[in-house]
Amino acid sequence: DAKTTQPPSMDCAEGRAANLPCNHSTISGNEYVYWYRQIHSQGPQYIIHGLKNNETNEMASLIITEDRKSSTLILPHATLRDTAVYYCIGGSGNTPLVFGKGTRLSVIA
Amino acid sequence: SAVISQKPSRDICQRGTSLTIQCQVDSQVTMMFWYRQQPGQSLTLIATANQGSEATYESGFVIDKFPISRPNLTFSTLTVSNMSPEDSSIYLCSVEDLRRQGAGYTFGSGTRLTVV
Repeated sequence: DAKTTQPPSMDCAEGRAANLPCNHSTISGNEYVYWYRQIHSQGPQYIIHGLKNNETNEMASLIITEDRKSSTLILPHATLRDTAVYYCIGGSGNTPLVFGKGTRLSVIA
Repeated sequence: SAVISQKPSRDICQRGTSLTIQCQVDSQVTMMFWYRQQPGQSLTLIATANQGSEATYESGFVIDKFPISRPNLTFSTLTVSNMSPEDSSIYLCSVEDLRRQGAGYTFGSGTRLTVV
Protein backbone atom coordinates (compact mmCIF):
# COMPACT_ATOMS: atom_id res chain seq x y z
CA ASP A 1 0.00 0.00 0.00
CA ALA A 2 1.12 3.54 -0.77
CA LYS A 3 2.56 5.49 2.13
CA THR A 4 0.84 8.80 2.69
CA THR A 5 1.92 12.01 4.42
CA GLN A 6 -0.54 14.36 6.09
CA PRO A 7 -0.13 17.37 8.36
CA PRO A 8 -0.70 16.34 11.98
CA SER A 9 -3.31 19.01 12.66
CA MET A 10 -5.35 21.78 11.09
CA ASP A 11 -7.89 24.34 12.22
CA CYS A 12 -10.86 25.58 10.24
CA ALA A 13 -13.50 28.19 11.02
CA GLU A 14 -17.04 26.93 11.13
CA GLY A 15 -18.84 27.50 7.83
CA ARG A 16 -15.63 27.79 5.85
CA ALA A 17 -14.21 25.18 3.51
CA ALA A 18 -11.75 22.76 5.06
CA ASN A 19 -8.99 21.68 2.67
CA LEU A 20 -7.02 18.68 3.89
CA PRO A 21 -3.90 17.83 1.88
CA CYS A 22 -2.29 14.45 1.42
CA ASN A 23 0.92 13.43 -0.31
CA HIS A 24 1.08 9.91 -1.76
CA SER A 25 4.02 10.07 -4.13
CA THR A 26 4.54 6.28 -4.14
CA ILE A 27 0.98 5.38 -5.10
CA SER A 28 0.81 2.85 -7.91
CA GLY A 29 -1.43 3.00 -10.94
CA ASN A 30 -4.10 0.65 -9.62
CA GLU A 31 -4.30 2.05 -6.12
CA TYR A 32 -7.20 4.17 -5.01
CA VAL A 33 -6.95 7.12 -2.65
CA TYR A 34 -9.34 6.59 0.24
CA TRP A 35 -10.38 9.13 2.84
CA TYR A 36 -11.81 8.14 6.18
CA ARG A 37 -12.46 10.04 9.35
CA GLN A 38 -12.72 9.00 12.97
CA ILE A 39 -14.78 11.00 15.37
CA HIS A 40 -13.89 10.61 19.03
CA SER A 41 -12.77 6.95 18.90
CA GLN A 42 -15.81 5.73 16.98
CA GLY A 43 -15.17 3.36 14.08
CA PRO A 44 -13.63 5.04 11.03
CA GLN A 45 -16.22 6.46 8.66
CA TYR A 46 -15.81 6.27 4.90
CA ILE A 47 -15.84 9.67 3.24
CA ILE A 48 -14.81 9.31 -0.39
CA HIS A 49 -12.33 7.59 -2.66
CA GLY A 50 -10.95 8.10 -6.15
CA LEU A 51 -8.55 6.67 -8.68
CA LYS A 52 -7.69 9.39 -11.21
CA ASN A 53 -10.64 11.72 -11.56
CA ASN A 54 -11.91 14.22 -9.07
CA GLU A 55 -14.86 12.94 -7.10
CA THR A 56 -17.72 14.54 -5.22
CA ASN A 57 -20.38 13.13 -2.98
CA GLU A 58 -22.73 14.44 -0.35
CA MET A 59 -19.97 14.67 2.23
CA ALA A 60 -16.95 16.01 0.41
CA SER A 61 -14.96 16.54 -2.76
CA LEU A 62 -11.70 14.83 -3.62
CA ILE A 63 -9.22 16.56 -5.88
CA ILE A 64 -6.42 14.33 -7.20
CA THR A 65 -3.48 15.86 -9.02
CA GLU A 66 -2.82 14.72 -12.56
CA ASP A 67 0.36 12.90 -11.54
CA ARG A 68 -1.60 11.27 -8.67
CA LYS A 69 1.11 12.12 -6.19
CA SER A 70 -1.13 14.20 -3.99
CA SER A 71 -4.76 14.92 -3.27
CA THR A 72 -6.94 17.29 -1.30
CA LEU A 73 -10.11 16.49 0.58
CA ILE A 74 -12.52 19.40 0.66
CA LEU A 75 -15.31 19.75 3.18
CA PRO A 76 -17.19 22.66 1.61
CA HIS A 77 -18.87 24.08 4.71
CA ALA A 78 -17.25 22.71 7.83
CA THR A 79 -19.36 22.33 10.95
CA LEU A 80 -18.39 21.57 14.53
CA ARG A 81 -19.42 17.96 13.91
CA ASP A 82 -16.66 17.65 11.31
CA THR A 83 -14.05 17.83 14.06
CA ALA A 84 -12.26 14.50 13.72
CA VAL A 85 -9.08 12.75 12.67
CA TYR A 86 -8.96 12.42 8.88
CA TYR A 87 -7.02 9.60 7.26
CA CYS A 88 -5.79 9.52 3.68
CA ILE A 89 -4.93 5.96 2.63
CA GLY A 90 -3.73 4.40 -0.58
CA GLY A 91 -5.05 0.94 -1.35
CA SER A 92 -6.00 -1.48 -4.07
CA GLY A 93 -9.39 -2.42 -2.74
CA ASN A 94 -8.71 -6.05 -1.94
CA THR A 95 -6.11 -5.65 0.77
CA PRO A 96 -6.62 -4.20 4.23
CA LEU A 97 -6.21 -0.49 4.80
CA VAL A 98 -2.99 0.62 6.46
CA PHE A 99 -3.61 3.69 8.61
CA GLY A 100 -1.09 6.46 9.18
CA LYS A 101 -1.42 9.08 11.87
CA GLY A 102 -3.90 11.23 9.94
CA THR A 103 -4.77 14.91 10.34
CA ARG A 104 -6.62 16.11 13.39
CA LEU A 105 -9.07 18.72 12.10
CA SER A 106 -10.51 21.13 14.64
CA VAL A 107 -13.49 23.17 13.48
CA ILE A 108 -13.74 26.34 15.51
CA ALA A 109 -16.91 28.32 16.12
CA SER B 1 -22.75 0.25 2.36
CA ALA B 2 -22.42 -2.87 4.47
CA VAL B 3 -23.72 -2.72 8.03
CA ILE B 4 -21.61 -4.19 10.81
CA SER B 5 -22.79 -5.05 14.28
CA GLN B 6 -19.94 -5.39 16.75
CA LYS B 7 -20.39 -6.64 20.31
CA PRO B 8 -19.74 -5.83 23.07
CA SER B 9 -19.35 -2.09 22.64
CA ARG B 10 -17.23 -1.89 25.77
CA ASP B 11 -16.07 -4.07 28.64
CA ILE B 12 -13.91 -3.92 31.72
CA CYS B 13 -12.05 -7.17 32.35
CA GLN B 14 -9.75 -8.60 34.97
CA ARG B 15 -6.19 -9.37 33.98
CA GLY B 16 -5.60 -12.99 33.08
CA THR B 17 -9.10 -13.47 31.65
CA SER B 18 -10.20 -13.58 28.00
CA LEU B 19 -12.77 -11.62 26.04
CA THR B 20 -14.42 -12.63 22.77
CA ILE B 21 -15.56 -9.86 20.44
CA GLN B 22 -18.18 -10.59 17.79
CA CYS B 23 -18.59 -9.01 14.39
CA GLN B 24 -21.75 -9.63 12.35
CA VAL B 25 -22.17 -8.29 8.81
CA ASP B 26 -25.46 -7.88 6.96
CA SER B 27 -24.04 -9.30 3.73
CA GLN B 28 -21.62 -12.01 2.73
CA VAL B 29 -18.02 -10.85 2.53
CA THR B 30 -14.88 -12.72 1.63
CA MET B 31 -12.43 -10.92 3.85
CA MET B 32 -12.83 -9.50 7.33
CA PHE B 33 -10.13 -7.57 9.13
CA TRP B 34 -9.44 -6.98 12.78
CA TYR B 35 -7.71 -3.84 14.05
CA ARG B 36 -6.47 -2.55 17.37
CA GLN B 37 -6.32 1.09 18.35
CA GLN B 38 -4.30 1.81 21.44
CA PRO B 39 -5.04 5.00 23.39
CA GLY B 40 -4.09 8.08 21.39
CA GLN B 41 -2.79 6.01 18.49
CA SER B 42 -3.89 5.16 14.98
CA LEU B 43 -5.35 1.83 13.92
CA THR B 44 -3.06 -1.19 13.62
CA LEU B 45 -4.05 -4.28 11.65
CA ILE B 46 -4.09 -7.44 13.74
CA ALA B 47 -5.14 -10.04 11.18
CA THR B 48 -7.13 -10.86 8.08
CA ALA B 49 -9.82 -13.51 8.45
CA ASN B 50 -11.03 -15.46 5.42
CA GLN B 51 -13.83 -17.97 5.67
CA GLY B 52 -12.62 -21.54 5.52
CA SER B 53 -8.98 -20.83 6.25
CA GLU B 54 -6.81 -19.79 9.15
CA ALA B 55 -6.43 -16.11 9.81
CA THR B 56 -3.31 -14.33 8.60
CA TYR B 57 -1.63 -12.37 11.38
CA GLU B 58 0.47 -9.26 11.08
CA SER B 59 3.91 -8.97 12.60
CA GLY B 60 3.68 -8.65 16.34
CA PHE B 61 0.37 -10.49 16.67
CA VAL B 62 0.07 -14.22 17.30
CA ILE B 63 -2.77 -16.70 17.18
CA ASP B 64 -2.35 -17.82 20.79
CA LYS B 65 -2.98 -14.30 22.00
CA PHE B 66 -5.62 -13.28 19.44
CA PRO B 67 -7.42 -16.39 18.19
CA ILE B 68 -9.90 -15.64 15.41
CA SER B 69 -12.84 -17.64 14.14
CA ARG B 70 -14.57 -17.21 10.79
CA PRO B 71 -17.31 -19.82 10.64
CA ASN B 72 -19.21 -18.28 7.71
CA LEU B 73 -19.24 -15.35 5.31
CA THR B 74 -21.11 -12.96 7.63
CA PHE B 75 -19.54 -13.55 11.05
CA SER B 76 -16.20 -13.49 12.83
CA THR B 77 -14.91 -13.41 16.38
CA LEU B 78 -11.66 -12.12 17.88
CA THR B 79 -10.60 -13.32 21.31
CA VAL B 80 -8.15 -11.37 23.40
CA SER B 81 -6.56 -14.02 25.62
CA ASN B 82 -4.84 -13.85 28.99
CA MET B 83 -5.35 -10.12 29.12
CA SER B 84 -3.03 -7.60 30.69
CA PRO B 85 -3.49 -3.83 31.12
CA GLU B 86 -1.43 -3.35 27.93
CA ASP B 87 -4.33 -4.91 25.99
CA SER B 88 -6.56 -1.98 26.89
CA SER B 89 -7.53 -0.66 23.46
CA ILE B 90 -10.35 -0.27 21.02
CA TYR B 91 -10.76 -3.33 18.82
CA LEU B 92 -12.47 -2.92 15.46
CA CYS B 93 -13.57 -5.20 12.68
CA SER B 94 -13.76 -4.14 9.07
CA VAL B 95 -15.01 -5.61 5.82
CA GLU B 96 -14.49 -4.88 2.18
CA ASP B 97 -17.64 -3.17 0.96
CA LEU B 98 -18.50 -4.74 -2.37
CA ARG B 99 -21.58 -2.54 -2.78
CA ARG B 100 -19.35 0.40 -3.59
CA GLN B 101 -17.37 0.65 -6.83
CA GLY B 102 -13.69 0.56 -5.96
CA ALA B 103 -14.78 -1.23 -2.80
CA GLY B 104 -13.43 0.59 0.18
CA TYR B 105 -14.15 -0.66 3.61
CA THR B 106 -16.73 -0.40 6.32
CA PHE B 107 -15.86 -0.50 10.01
CA GLY B 108 -17.71 -1.64 13.07
CA SER B 109 -18.26 0.81 15.89
CA GLY B 110 -15.53 -0.82 17.94
CA THR B 111 -15.13 -2.54 21.29
CA ARG B 112 -13.53 -0.44 24.00
CA LEU B 113 -11.65 -2.81 26.28
CA THR B 114 -10.23 -1.83 29.64
CA VAL B 115 -8.15 -4.38 31.52
CA VAL B 116 -7.70 -3.84 35.25
